[in-house]
Amino acid sequence: GAGVSQSPSNKVTEKGKDVELRCDPISGHTALYWYRQSLGQGLEFLIYFQGNSAPDKSGLPSDRFSAERTGGSVSTLTIQRTQQEDSAVYLCASSLARAGQGDTQYFGPGTRLTVL
Amino acid sequence: AQSVTQLDSQVPVFEEAPVELRCNYSSSVSVYLFWYVQYPNQGLQLLLKYLSGSTLVKGINGFEAEFNKSQTSFHLRKPSVHISDTAEYFCAVSDRGGSYIPTFGRGTSLIVHP
Repeated sequence: GAGVSQSPSNKVTEKGKDVELRCDPISGHTALYWYRQSLGQGLEFLIYFQGNSAPDKSGLPSDRFSAERTGGSVSTLTIQRTQQEDSAVYLCASSLARAGQGDTQYFGPGTRLTVL
Repeated sequence: AQSVTQLDSQVPVFEEAPVELRCNYSSSVSVYLFWYVQYPNQGLQLLLKYLSGSTLVKGINGFEAEFNKSQTSFHLRKPSVHISDTAEYFCAVSDRGGSYIPTFGRGTSLIVHP
């Protein structure tokens, strides 16, 4: 079956512009995660959605970052007024069960964001 | 809150040699443990995970890991590596129950030389 897809695969933008990154999770997966991967820094948790519950936004680095998940499926991560330090690979993952249940996360290929 | 330390940022090894990638974690409660692999320009995929039961866990591509509660470790091993094993390996920990988001280590780059 189809895995997690993300678009665009690459995004180059100018400092100060807004960007939107999209994630299509595996159908039927209730949990969705966004991570940021910077060189040598591992995966930094950004935000977690579980079903219709309020999202866990504890990892968002600033109020320039926001995300939504429509209809319990597709998610969009928005970064406003991008800065050069926002350059990274943004990974989306989904899982069948809620976090804390030991369920496997399925990752998309990521969006590489470059802020000039 | 939990944390993960991957002690080696890079591990070079020759083809057909054994390899061990080290992972230590800290948590105040019981945990689930994971190893994920990321091949160049791809997303992460699960290698293996420990949920309960036997402390020796076998995964895909001939990898295995052993959960050691007293040493809070979950080291990944393979008796004979291939060139195709060259990739980034991430250890992750998740506290049992609640809504605990998995925490990932910084990754270990395994470089297999011919």
